Amino acid sequence: EDQVTQSPEALRLQEGESSSLNCSYTVSGLRGLFWYRQDPGKGPEFLFTLYSAGEEKEKERLKATLTKKESFLHITAPKPEDSATYLCAVQANSGYALNFGKGTSLLVTP
Amino acid sequence: DAGVTQSPTHLIKTRGQQVTLRCSPKSGHDTVSWYQQALGQGPQFIFQYYEEEERQRGNFPDRFSGHQFPNYSSELNVNALLLGDSALYLCASSLPGDQPQHFGDGTRLSIL
Repeated sequence: EDQVTQSPEALRLQEGESSSLNCSYTVSGLRGLFWYRQDPGKGPEFLFTLYSAGEEKEKERLKATLTKKESFLHITAPKPEDSATYLCAVQANSGYALNFGKGTSLLVTP
Repeated sequence: DAGVTQSPTHLIKTRGQQVTLRCSPKSGHDTVSWYQQALGQGPQFIFQYYEEEERQRGNFPDRFSGHQFPNYSSELNVNALLLGDSALYLCASSLPGDQPQHFGDGTRLSIL
């Protein structure tokens, strides 16, 4: 059975303090790994798709990387507006569903 | 360019009632998926519709059913509501295959 585990559950950073969020996964054939950002009361907002080990994607202060067992979302010099819950999801070759982790709640303080 | 739109935004029902939630996909998208998100949890896949057919279903009982219309919009129906059905219901649209799914802001369903 596909499984996605995100850590830590919650993370508090000072503005400018870089860190990484982890997404460990098991899937029977990876079609894609997806990162989303979710603000309170809103739906998830798409950030990145990664397809194969070694792949990296960047967007502003965010950089996502992928290995065969896990993905990292690196946040460089975060700002308070980066505060949100970050969700990781995997899609297996056998289907179309996104299987989500529980998310990491990030708070960046000034 | 309109994103995924869902209606209503909030809904309050009582146990045993039935509810219908609606979703209009992002322009150009033909695939619609529905997810249930409990408080503090990640979204859980209910089902996906493509070409007006249910293409894949998650681990949800038959009380959950859906429909996709020729214009690609979709409905989620839930019968015999239970207290445990209280959640945020998210609709996502996409192009076929491994293209990213784009989410609406959901319908918050509360069961009393």
